[in-house]
Amino acid sequence: NSKVIQTPRYLVKGQGQKAKMRCIPEKGHPVVFWYQQNKNNEFKFLINFQNQEVLQQIDMTEKRFSAECPSNSPCSLEIQSSEAGDSALYLCASSLRQANTEVFFGKGTRLTVV
Amino acid sequence: GDSVTQKQGQVTLSEDDFLFINCTYSTTTYPTLLWYVQYPGQGPQLLLKVTTANNKGISRGFEATYDKGTTSFHLQKASVQESDSAVYFCAVYQGGRALIFGTGTTVSVSP
Repeated sequence: NSKVIQTPRYLVKGQGQKAKMRCIPEKGHPVVFWYQQNKNNEFKFLINFQNQEVLQQIDMTEKRFSAECPSNSPCSLEIQSSEAGDSALYLCASSLRQANTEVFFGKGTRLTVV
Repeated sequence: GDSVTQKQGQVTLSEDDFLFINCTYSTTTYPTLLWYVQYPGQGPQLLLKVTTANNKGISRGFEATYDKGTTSFHLQKASVQESDSAVYFCAVYQGGRALIFGTGTTVSVSP
């Protein structure tokens, strides 16, 4: 069973509001991923980290999404100005190594933008 | 770019029926092929993986096979139970990159 902890489980925000979600990766896992799963079950990779460093990320030129994994604190994903299209399940996953298929997912944060 | 296609959106079965789900992929290099299962209110869980080096994986009664010629991979179970009702995702993994998921097959098993 996965030990990736995501909070909150549910998040409701108005359009234009900030939405912040957190993730505690499995103990000893330095690699963290964020994915967005929409209502059509389509997964979109957002960003991943190794320790505090960004490994890969999608083009976030719209600048509404930001993420970090500070030392000794939960990782976080924040949407600066929520839009209706951001409504989705945000999944955090962790792994022991970057090149490792054993990726463990949390239960996700369900964001609803009204 | 790399992609994976999972066309079966919904499969409805009765207990003890045979389950078969198929995915095709297109990648630039040899990938690892994976099957994830997602139950309601949960994140995806790794069910099986198949590398091109070994063409079959078996876990919890499920079997994953791979056909290099057609670049397809399959998930099957000989006799499903109601507890197997879930969404099954195929995915491909290429070293160091993020997973690429299919769009999922919702499997509903009635008693």
